[in-house]
Amino acid sequence: AQSVAQPEDQVNVAEGNPLTVKCTYSVSGNPYLFWYVQYPNRGLQFLLKYITGDNLVKGSYGFEAEFNKSQTSFHLKKPSALVSDSALYFCAVRDIRGSQGNLIFGKGTKLSVKP
Amino acid sequence: DAGVIQSPRHEVTEMGQEVTLRCKPISGHDYLFWYRQTMMRGLELLIYFNNNVPIDDSGMPEDRFSAKMPNASFSTLKIQPSEPRDSAVYFCASTPREAGGNTEAFFGQGTRLTVV
Repeated sequence: AQSVAQPEDQVNVAEGNPLTVKCTYSVSGNPYLFWYVQYPNRGLQFLLKYITGDNLVKGSYGFEAEFNKSQTSFHLKKPSALVSDSALYFCAVRDIRGSQGNLIFGKGTKLSVKP
Repeated sequence: DAGVIQSPRHEVTEMGQEVTLRCKPISGHDYLFWYRQTMMRGLELLIYFNNNVPIDDSGMPEDRFSAKMPNASFSTLKIQPSEPRDSAVYFCASTPREAGGNTEAFFGQGTRLTVV
């Protein structure tokens, strides 16, 4: 079965410091990996995705993620955190058993950036 | 495009009542997904459609839940009768059709359902 895990329920970072939100996955074939962000009382917004190619993927709002096949990880990173980055972050993997397949989401990680 | 549109944004209903949630996907998107979000279980896929046809409804919790997509621009999720444990935020999402499944999903703002 395909799955994704976010081992941390919450990550606390000081503004200006680098941040990392962790994600590991389990798929039978090649993974399609995604990161989404959810602000309070809002829907999920797409940040970035890895399909193929360069292992370092750059996305919206200065975020990037590194695909590591040997460690089956896709950690989200940002060199310098902002208070406005505080939100709930979801990692997702595409289940391609169907013709398109649904996105399987992790439990989410709450990022808190303090001034 | 206005994005995925869900209505209502908030719904408060009494136990036993019928609840209908509505979704308008982005024009031209062939796939539509219904998700439920709770603190305990996170984001769960309930059902998804391809070209208006239900493909996988294995996530629908029980027979009280039903979903339809009568045309490419409209879908409903119905709960009858509703129960307090159905209280959650329900999201609709859509994606365009591209080979290989490498497209991201676009989410609506969600409907916050409270059953009292």
